[in-house]
Amino acid sequence: EAEVAQSPRYKITEKSQAVAFWCDPISGHATLYWYRQILGQGPELLVQFQDESVVDDSQLPKDRFSAERLKGVDSTLKIQPAELGDSAMYLCASTLLVTGSYNEQFFGPGTRLTVL
Amino acid sequence: GNSVTQMEGPVTLSEEAFLTINCTYTATGYPSLFWYVQYPGEGLQLLLKATKADDKGSNKGFEATYRKETTSFHLEKGSVQVSDSAVYFCALYSNTGNQFYFGTGTSLTVIP
Repeated sequence: EAEVAQSPRYKITEKSQAVAFWCDPISGHATLYWYRQILGQGPELLVQFQDESVVDDSQLPKDRFSAERLKGVDSTLKIQPAELGDSAMYLCASTLLVTGSYNEQFFGPGTRLTVL
Repeated sequence: GNSVTQMEGPVTLSEEAFLTINCTYTATGYPSLFWYVQYPGEGLQLLLKATKADDKGSNKGFEATYRKETTSFHLEKGSVQVSDSAVYFCALYSNTGNQFYFGTGTSLTVIP
């Protein structure tokens, strides 16, 4: 069964360091999402891609976060420098875009980031 | 705008008890509604869905009915098991912007 892949699963870093997370969506899925999930809360959208283009990054803290999906397939989310408040689970999800219809969203296992 | 409000937890039940987790939504247009489940240390898994009013989603003994008149999508299960212990998220999908909106999650613990 096709799955969304993410790595690493866990990352511990010190504040002010740079970290990067990788996501490989299900093959053929045009839309890719990065979410941040703080412990005890629901996922919050950070950035949404349609193929290689950013559709929505209004909630992405652009002074320290960046995201790219250069070939419209896999994606990287970077934080530089990391801050204590960035400790969270970072979830990647993808959907097969069908215009005007419901799109099931598939999630990866997430990357648990701890900033010390 | 779009938003989801769900019952706060944590919820603790004995095995075989009846479960209800309330979820209400605010949306423009005609959203699709979902329940996701998250086990410790894992990502979210789709539990069930309903794409239009009066639809009932069901899976693994869980059910939820899309009620447009009350803007609700409450999750129910007649007899919970220890293995149902997880965090449950209500969500809506808006095809305006192709985005999902999640509730804050409800933690369920089932004790033998």
